[in-house]
Amino acid sequence: NAGVTQTPKFQVLKTGQSMTLQCAQDMNHEYMSWYRQDPGMGLRLIHYSVGAGITDQGEVPNGYNVSRSTTEDFPLRLLSAAPSQTSVYFCASSYLWEVRAGQPQHFGDGTRLSIL
Amino acid sequence: AQTVTQSQPEMSVQEAETVTLSCTYDTSESNYYLFWYKQPPSRQMILVIRQEAYKQQNATENRFSVNFQKAAKSFSLKISDSQLGDTAMYFCAFMKHFDSGAGSYQLTFGKGTKLSVIP
Repeated sequence: NAGVTQTPKFQVLKTGQSMTLQCAQDMNHEYMSWYRQDPGMGLRLIHYSVGAGITDQGEVPNGYNVSRSTTEDFPLRLLSAAPSQTSVYFCASSYLWEVRAGQPQHFGDGTRLSIL
Repeated sequence: AQTVTQSQPEMSVQEAETVTLSCTYDTSESNYYLFWYKQPPSRQMILVIRQEAYKQQNATENRFSVNFQKAAKSFSLKISDSQLGDTAMYFCAFMKHFDSGAGSYQLTFGKGTKLSVIP
């Protein structure tokens, strides 16, 4: 049971490059989400999904795309990276009943992304 | 929209002493959940404690307890017998009940309090 796995752990990009951050979970969780954490800030929700084929926007979705073709994977795409997207990105997952019951989500270890 | 405010950017406490971290939030919802998360230098997000708004009883988890004041929209975390391993960033977070419409499922975080436990 690997839990929530995020790859890569670190990445440096140049402005305008594209990149996909990977998130995978092996717990058959329906709910998956992406957050970003900027210095001096708490985490902010980017996108989330309540099941395969279903995604929705969170608080800060601009500049990011997501898709959910399988239950296990929820990749986050930066189509044209900007310095303002320099951040630490966290993926989280839960069973849908858990998140509806206000139970805590399972977080990955984060990806530190720097855009020059 | 919900907001979460942590008014103490940094705090320190002597080992074995007690410390209280403050959190206030603003919401028009009546049913919601509150959390405290710990983020050590390893960057992991670790749940410390959880509170359901409809429960008046304050949650406790070993050395960690909360003072939940719903009317005042306050949710402070008390750490007793502080240990060196408690050194971390602590985030207060809010989540609406899932049938609250737009914004459901979203955790709203405060900016965090950096806690240092001094030997």
